[in-house]
Amino acid sequence: EAGVAQSPRYKIIEKRQSVAFWCNPISGHATLYWYQQILGQGPKLLIQFQNNGVVDDSQLPKDRFSAERLKGVDSTLKIQPAKLEDSAVYLCASSLNRPGQGRAGELFFGEGSRLTVL
Amino acid sequence: AQKITQTQPGMFVQEKEAVTLDCTYDTSDPSYGLFWYKQPSSGEMIFLIYQGSYDQQNATEGRYSLNFQKARKSANLVISASQLGDSAMYFCAMRGTYTGGFKTIFGAGTRLFVKA
Repeated sequence: EAGVAQSPRYKIIEKRQSVAFWCNPISGHATLYWYQQILGQGPKLLIQFQNNGVVDDSQLPKDRFSAERLKGVDSTLKIQPAKLEDSAVYLCASSLNRPGQGRAGELFFGEGSRLTVL
Repeated sequence: AQKITQTQPGMFVQEKEAVTLDCTYDTSDPSYGLFWYKQPSSGEMIFLIYQGSYDQQNATEGRYSLNFQKARKSANLVISASQLGDSAMYFCAMRGTYTGGFKTIFGAGTRLFVKA
């Protein structure tokens, strides 16, 4: 079974530039998450999709971050304009069915996209 | 609001000994799930163990066990017979249901160092 795919693995940009990350979840996983992990910290949930609807985006800085999940499969996360403090690893994860069903809430993570903003 | 607290930034353990990593949580949901993930230096997140809030028995997965004390709202991870490959960051996570909005949130993590 293929895992969660993310690209690009690494990206270096200057502040005020834009960047986009792509995620393809495990086939059949209805729930998709984007987390931001700053070095030395735990992952912080940015946005959670159930199919192609947003479940939670309370911690997404909406003035600069946007995310979409078309057709309930792939997702993109965009940052425009980037700030120095956006330097982090952006982790995409997916889970089976609707969270709340026991271990079905287990998250499967991609390898992450490391962003450096200069 | 949901919250996960891991108070140990770093822990050392001698190879072959057992170690306990602490995790406390806060939620008003009657039903929730607790997870532990391992993140080696390579960066990938690896699922270790799951405990449901209504599970009567503590979860075990090989050398990993979860010491679940519901009244204390703690879910400590116990690693028995530590190995050098256990050196990594360990994150406690909680998935809420109703008031938690089905979100999965993570603690700040504990870095474990296994000494030979």
